[in-house]
Amino acid sequence: SAVISQKPSRDICQRGTSLTIQCQVDSQVTMMFWYRQQPGQSLTLIATANQGSEATYESGFVIDKFPISRPNLTFSTLTVSNMSPEDSSIYLCSGTGPSYEQYFGPGTRLTVT
Amino acid sequence: QKEVEQDPGPLSVPEGAIVSLNCTYSNSAFQYFMWYRQYSRKGPELLMYTYSSGNKEDGRFTAQVDKSSKYISLFIRDSQPSDSATYLCAMSDPSGGSNYKLTFGKGTLLTVNP
Repeated sequence: SAVISQKPSRDICQRGTSLTIQCQVDSQVTMMFWYRQQPGQSLTLIATANQGSEATYESGFVIDKFPISRPNLTFSTLTVSNMSPEDSSIYLCSGTGPSYEQYFGPGTRLTVT
Repeated sequence: QKEVEQDPGPLSVPEGAIVSLNCTYSNSAFQYFMWYRQYSRKGPELLMYTYSSGNKEDGRFTAQVDKSSKYISLFIRDSQPSDSATYLCAMSDPSGGSNYKLTFGKGTLLTVNP
């Protein structure tokens, strides 16, 4: 199974600022994704991180707010821009294994004040 | 109708009980089915993964898929207090354009009492 790490594990940020979250996998994965999990809720897909090209965003999420990069097969970043308290969530990255099963990182717990 | 329906519980059982967790779905394009366990303040941990109808067993866990009824289940035998967590079902459509992205149920909070 893929081992996925994220940095930072948590952060408290002020309204209007931006935070970049890093995701590193220990082996090459085909697909990488970014999810959001709001308090007490399930996971919602933000976007698919595509290597070397623009990410594919789900309805309700836009590149200006959540720019994503994936410069190689094992690394991706998600930036949460111009943050508001409504962005307080857990942000999770995932990667697919050889049978397209998905493994998740430990998450980044973001609080916006 | 949501694409994936899962009873959020909470579900409380005594240690040693058999636990049954269930999800229904409406999108017949879903072909890959996963169950995750998520402890508080942790990322989801993949428990079971299957893509065919029938049963798949791994230790105390059995995943069951019935594609004709659009219904999946996770059974936990001899439940332990360490099984106390939120269990999430998830599924994906492997056809072109969907990119294997997962659609999750809301999760069921399980407590196993010693």
